[in-house]
Amino acid sequence: AQSVAQPEDQVNVAEGNPLTVKCTYSVSGNPYLFWYVQYPNRGLQFLLKYITGDNLVKGSYGFEAEFNKSQTSFHLKKPSALVSDSALYFCAVRALGNNNDMRFGAGTRLTVKP
Amino acid sequence: EAGVTQFPSHSVIEKGQTVTLRCDPISGHDNLYWYRRVMGKEIKFLLHFVKESKQDESGMPNNRFLAERTGGTYSTLKVQPAELEDSGVYFCASSPLGGTTDTQYFGPGTRLTVL
Repeated sequence: AQSVAQPEDQVNVAEGNPLTVKCTYSVSGNPYLFWYVQYPNRGLQFLLKYITGDNLVKGSYGFEAEFNKSQTSFHLKKPSALVSDSALYFCAVRALGNNNDMRFGAGTRLTVKP
Repeated sequence: EAGVTQFPSHSVIEKGQTVTLRCDPISGHDNLYWYRRVMGKEIKFLLHFVKESKQDESGMPNNRFLAERTGGTYSTLKVQPAELEDSGVYFCASSPLGGTTDTQYFGPGTRLTVL
């Protein structure tokens, strides 16, 4: 069965600095990896996904993520953080199977301080 | 295009009562999923509909939870009787009928509090 780990409950960065939110996964077969963001009082919003191809995936709001097969990681990055990026970030993995459900991490709360 | 909607946004009930949550997927999306997030924990899969059929309900906690999707449009998730540990945020998501790689689009969630 597939699983995801987000090792950090909380990440704090200063505005303008680069940010990284970590994610590692475990899956049988090819992984399909996703990042979602949840702003306060809002639902989960899709940020980006890795299916195949280039290991560096670019998504919404200037975010990108790098798929690293050898380290089974899919860390979310942004070169210059904004205060408005403060939110809860979830990594998720799916694998080809009968149910197509996704497995999520516990989430990482990102706080960007001015 | 309207997104996934969920009703109610919040529900506070007492232990032993019944609550029904509703999800309206994006029009035309045959896949519908229910998830739950208990405070501070990961978002956990509950079940998956393809049209009106339950494709996978392996994540349903117990028989106090009943999900339906009559007609293959909106879905309801009933908890009867509710227990304290059922508190959490219940998310619904939908996607078009296709492959594993399709993005799931989530609703805003229903926050359920059982007192």
